[in-house]
Amino acid sequence: KQEVTQIPAALSVPEGENLVLNCSFTDSAIYNLQWFRQDPGKGLTSLLLIQSSQREQTSGRLNASLDKSSGRSTLYIAASQPGDSATYLCAGTSYGKLTFGQGTILTVHP
Amino acid sequence: GAVVSQHPSWVICKSGTSVKIECRSLDFQATTMFWYRQFPKQSLMLMATSNEGSKATYEQGVEKDKFLINHASLTLSTLTVTSAHPEDSSFYICSARDEGESTDTQYFGPGTRLTVL
Repeated sequence: KQEVTQIPAALSVPEGENLVLNCSFTDSAIYNLQWFRQDPGKGLTSLLLIQSSQREQTSGRLNASLDKSSGRSTLYIAASQPGDSATYLCAGTSYGKLTFGQGTILTVHP
Repeated sequence: GAVVSQHPSWVICKSGTSVKIECRSLDFQATTMFWYRQFPKQSLMLMATSNEGSKATYEQGVEKDKFLINHASLTLSTLTVTSAHPEDSSFYICSARDEGESTDTQYFGPGTRLTVL
């Protein structure tokens, strides 16, 4: 059974700082891995999707990497802004099911 | 990207009543849809897998008689919370699976917030 863990649970940084969110998974038979953003009381916004054959994906200030052999993925956010404050969730697709991590609550203060 | 809608976006009901939530894939056909539940400050937990034309598959600990799922067409799945109680108050999110030769991606609806008084 796939288990997904995210570290840290919460992160508070000053505006402008570069930061890394970590995600680890137990089953390397992962089809793809996604990073989502969730604002309070809202649904999920898909940020990046990495297929198992890929090592990284980039979108604007976001870069996500995937290392299946070590069971890890990272989300790198460059030049953070207060508008980046949200909960970030990673989720892996295995055997047709998506398993979510517990999320990292990010606060970027001015 | 593909769009998935949910209706209603929020609902308040009295204890003992039933509530139906709809999930629609607007621009693609989904043989498989998923229902998740999210309690405050927690992550999403898969409740069940909804299969078009067949019975839903429920995760361990989820009561199938309480959470009725119907997937009557390739673009619509419904979740009915029967005899709702305050402990059923939660954020319910659906997703629709887009499967292809080189893709297996779930697209998420905006969620439905259920409050049971």
